Amino acid sequence: KQEVTQIPAALSVPEGENLVLNCSFTDSAIYNLQWFRQDPGKGLTSLLLIQSSQREQTSGRLNASLDKSSGRSTLYIAASQPGDSATYLCAVSRGADGLTFGKGTHLIIQP
Amino acid sequence: DAGVIQSPRHEVTEMGQEVTLRCKPISGHNSLFWYRQTMMRGLELLIYFNNNVPIDDSGMPEDRFSAKMPNASFSTLKIQPSEPRDSAVYFCASSLGDPPVEQFFGPGTRLTVL
Repeated sequence: KQEVTQIPAALSVPEGENLVLNCSFTDSAIYNLQWFRQDPGKGLTSLLLIQSSQREQTSGRLNASLDKSSGRSTLYIAASQPGDSATYLCAVSRGADGLTFGKGTHLIIQP
Repeated sequence: DAGVIQSPRHEVTEMGQEVTLRCKPISGHNSLFWYRQTMMRGLELLIYFNNNVPIDDSGMPEDRFSAKMPNASFSTLKIQPSEPRDSAVYFCASSLGDPPVEQFFGPGTRLTVL
């Protein structure tokens, strides 16, 4: 059974810092990996999707990498802002099924 | 596009009552997913439809839960009878492709069973 782990569970940093969120998964036979953002009491917003054949994806200040063989992904946030405060979720799919989620990293950016 | 639409946004009911949650996927998407989010267990897949056909319902916790997708633009998740431990946020997501690629989530339904 696929298990997804996110480290750290919580992170608080001053505004302007670059930071890295980590995600690991136990079964490397994935079809894709998706990073989401969830604000309190809200739904999930898709940030980046990485197909299993890709190594990384970038969107603005966000960069996600994937090392499928080692079962790891990282989400890099450059020049963090208070508006980046949210819970970040990592999820993997084998393709013909739904997503398996990690428990998330709760991020606070201090002004 | 309006995105994935879920109703109601909040539902408070008493134990033993029937609860029906509704979802309208993004137009043109051919896969639909129901997830449940709790503090203890995080986000978990309940059931997955492809082209209106249930593909995997292994995540449905017990027979009290049932889901239908009568057409490409509507799905329901029903709990009968409801119990306090069913209290959670229920999300619907849709995707395009076979196998499905990027999933887009609705705002969720917060269910409280008293």
